[in-house]
Amino acid sequence: AQTVTQSQPEMSVQEAETVTLSCTYDTSENNYYLFWYKQPPSRQMILVIRQEAYKQQNATENRFSVNFQKAAKSFSLKISDSQLGDTAMYFCAFMKHVEYGNKLVFGAGTILRVKS
Amino acid sequence: EAGVAQSPRYKIIEKRQSVAFWCNPISGHATLYWYQQILGQGPKLLIQFQNNGVVDDSQLPKDRFSAERLKGVDSTLKIQPAKLEDSAVYLCASSFYSAYNSPLHFGNGTRLTVT
Repeated sequence: AQTVTQSQPEMSVQEAETVTLSCTYDTSENNYYLFWYKQPPSRQMILVIRQEAYKQQNATENRFSVNFQKAAKSFSLKISDSQLGDTAMYFCAFMKHVEYGNKLVFGAGTILRVKS
Repeated sequence: EAGVAQSPRYKIIEKRQSVAFWCNPISGHATLYWYQQILGQGPKLLIQFQNNGVVDDSQLPKDRFSAERLKGVDSTLKIQPAKLEDSAVYLCASSFYSAYNSPLHFGNGTRLTVT
């Protein structure tokens, strides 16, 4: 079974600075996807960024980028120029394709607080 | 496109009572998921539907939880009778199953408090 581990329960960063959230996972699969979701107090899970395991190039989405190390099974999220609106719970998630749809497994989450 | 709709937003019940949650997925999404998110934890999959059929309910406490997706669109999740440990946010999500890398789209969730 796949497991996702986020070892940082809470992180803080000053506005405009850079912060990195860690994630490791365990799987025997070769083809899979990794995601970072953001969950603000409104509770809606918002997709931040995703990475295909077969791609060596790290994904980027504006201020968000990942450092994907497939051999090490590591998938960290870097947030540049942090903004107050980035304050939220961040979840790392692993997805593999199953016969009927996709199976998504989440980590326990990291609370990120951006300070002014 | 309209997002995943869930209701109610909040629900408070006493233990041993019953409760039901409703979800309307994004139009055209064949796969529907119910997740349970206990405070301070990541979401845990309870049940996954493909159209109106169940494809994964391995983590659903079947003695008290039930779910259905009639006509392959809307879905309801029921708890009867509720226990204190059922207090959590219940998230519904949907995806376009035929796309291998189709991400899940989530609703705003229902926060259940069992007293």
